[in-house]
Amino acid sequence: QKEVEQDPGPLSVPEGAIVSLNCTYSNSAFQYFMWYRQYSRKGPELLMYTYSSGNKEDGRFTAQVDKSSKYISLFIRDSQPSDSATYLCALSRGGGFKTIFGAGTRLFVKA
Amino acid sequence: NAGVTQTPKFRILKIGQSMTLQCTQDMNHNYMYWYRQDPGMGLKLIYYSVGAGITDKGEVPNGYNVSRSTTEDFPLRLELAAPSQTSVYFCASSTDNSGANVLTFGAGSRLTVL
Repeated sequence: QKEVEQDPGPLSVPEGAIVSLNCTYSNSAFQYFMWYRQYSRKGPELLMYTYSSGNKEDGRFTAQVDKSSKYISLFIRDSQPSDSATYLCALSRGGGFKTIFGAGTRLFVKA
Repeated sequence: NAGVTQTPKFRILKIGQSMTLQCTQDMNHNYMYWYRQDPGMGLKLIYYSVGAGITDKGEVPNGYNVSRSTTEDFPLRLELAAPSQTSVYFCASSTDNSGANVLTFGAGSRLTVL
């Protein structure tokens, strides 16, 4: 069983739609949950991260963690064509353990 | 402040050739990493370093070598290139790996081995 599973997509939505991106994981020791955004032919950049369970909001983006279900989500409200990118979830146990990345979901937002 | 800089951006190698991917960061980060990214496979850690003079293997180190003589530089050496090393390589750095370990990535080096 992989440590983290993420549907690679692609996911295509119209402009203005609400987008839901998800990852599941198997190791309950993960404490930090991150989302990176990667534009085509660029390096990933951190979008946001949460510690333990709960929600975190930053503008149009909301990250949600459900540790009981080992399920994390990223919601994008009022999606824009500029949101078209690959979104990678990343998990860390902290304490010097290495970050584990999901395969990434390719998102296309059509104008 | 340039962040993490990788060179070259693109390279084509013949089987059996060797080359070095360069990585430098100007943020005074102690921790540096090399990842490879293959389609549908996510980012796999090749090697990492917790400071000058200290390196260690990641998930997929075979066929690669690294060195860390300064805080700023972390080159990745490919010896005897093989088609399986065709990939996009990313260098990254971070200040502290005790918490979330937020990574700053370079723009990537796209390598093709023919």
